[in-house]
Amino acid sequence: EAQVTQNPRYLITVTGKKLTVTCSQNMNHEYMSWYRQDPGLGLRQIYYSMNVEVTDKGDVPEGYKVSRKEKRNFPLILESPSPNQTSLYFCASRPGTWTELFFGSGTQLSVL
Amino acid sequence: SQQGEEDPQALSIQEGENATMNCSYKTSINNLQWYRQNSGRGLVHLILIRSNEREKHSGRLRVTLDTSKKSSSLLITASRAADTASYFCAPLAGANNLFFGTGTRLTVIP
Repeated sequence: EAQVTQNPRYLITVTGKKLTVTCSQNMNHEYMSWYRQDPGLGLRQIYYSMNVEVTDKGDVPEGYKVSRKEKRNFPLILESPSPNQTSLYFCASRPGTWTELFFGSGTQLSVL
Repeated sequence: SQQGEEDPQALSIQEGENATMNCSYKTSINNLQWYRQNSGRGLVHLILIRSNEREKHSGRLRVTLDTSKKSSSLLITASRAADTASYFCAPLAGANNLFFGTGTRLTVIP
């Protein structure tokens, strides 16, 4: 089944403890992106990648890192999480420049 | 801002009625996309309308686009309780990003 897989689905952590949220797609999409969703603010883009080894900042990149070593994987790294990074995170991919996005199921992160 | 802005923020209707949601944006676009999100889940793409199209249908969905007014609408006909969700429009202006608004929360009452 064609899909974008995120893990974990839920994550509770403490301030400062490094964590990684994984994202994998099996559709051979070149473009991948991370979003966070907060009440009243909608979805905001964190980072995106147009292809392997090509990443760039979105609207809210502070406090996050990404890497794109393989086409299928695009992990989101929080080196030192803070409570203001508590949010619902989505990974997404798309097959072409002007096409639709395919979303993962989301990761609900709570930073205490 | 390049994001789409949905209106109304919330909409409550009876099952069987039609639901109309509107979207406004501020820049020239290549296309505009509509997505649906069930509570806390990932967004699911519903329909894409290109800038040179005025209307598009998909099942019970009808989308219109007026580029002169920079607006779009999503009509769901004969709504069902299962249509209860949040709906987002996302104009695509450049190669990178879809700019999502805060969505319209639709509640369909059985």
